[in-house]
Amino acid sequence: QKEVEQNSGPLSVPEGAIASLNCTYSDRGSQSFFWYRQYSGKSPELIMFIYSNGDKEDGRFTAQLNKASQYVSLLIRDSQPSDSATYLCAVNHLNSGGSNYKLTFGKGTLLTVNP
Amino acid sequence: DGGITQSPKYLFRKEGQNVTLSCEQNLNHDAMYWYRQDPGQGLRLIYYSQIVNDFQKGDIAEGYSVSREKKESFPLTVTSAQKNPTAFYLCASSFLAGVNTGELFFGEGSRLTVL
Repeated sequence: QKEVEQNSGPLSVPEGAIASLNCTYSDRGSQSFFWYRQYSGKSPELIMFIYSNGDKEDGRFTAQLNKASQYVSLLIRDSQPSDSATYLCAVNHLNSGGSNYKLTFGKGTLLTVNP
Repeated sequence: DGGITQSPKYLFRKEGQNVTLSCEQNLNHDAMYWYRQDPGQGLRLIYYSQIVNDFQKGDIAEGYSVSREKKESFPLTVTSAQKNPTAFYLCASSFLAGVNTGELFFGEGSRLTVL
């Protein structure tokens, strides 16, 4: 069973600070990595994806990938109260039969940004 | 507007009853998915389909059934064999699953409660 692990939190940061969300995965052959944001009672929405080692920046969000350490993170700069949500890490990998790609989600980290 | 429509939004079921959750998309996506989410848990894959008239079991398919008779539609039936069906059910779609496919578009979800 391929696993994706996240700290469940809650992670609490003050407004304007940097929030750092972390994710580790077990399948070394995983190819692509995604961060979804889910507000309470709502469905997830994709906010970032990363395929290559290093950093990828999009506005206040930066995704970081280290395939050697099997580690992916999401940094949110200048955190706002509207960023308060659960952040789900998802990893794309081949299924056990090797015939299809499958997306496995972590359990998510609850982020609270305090005004 | 393009998107995914799930219905009903809320559903109550008596024990021993089968219920069917509807999912329709007009995004012209080939792949469709059903996920289950329990409180404090990530998304667990129930079934997925990449083409019409074909579907595969996910990680927790027992007690569920699906059909894919049209590209736009992927209904999920929660049968009486599902021991603990109370959960938030999410339907999603994407372009054909591949090595870098992880951008899922989600419906608003259906919340099922067993009385």
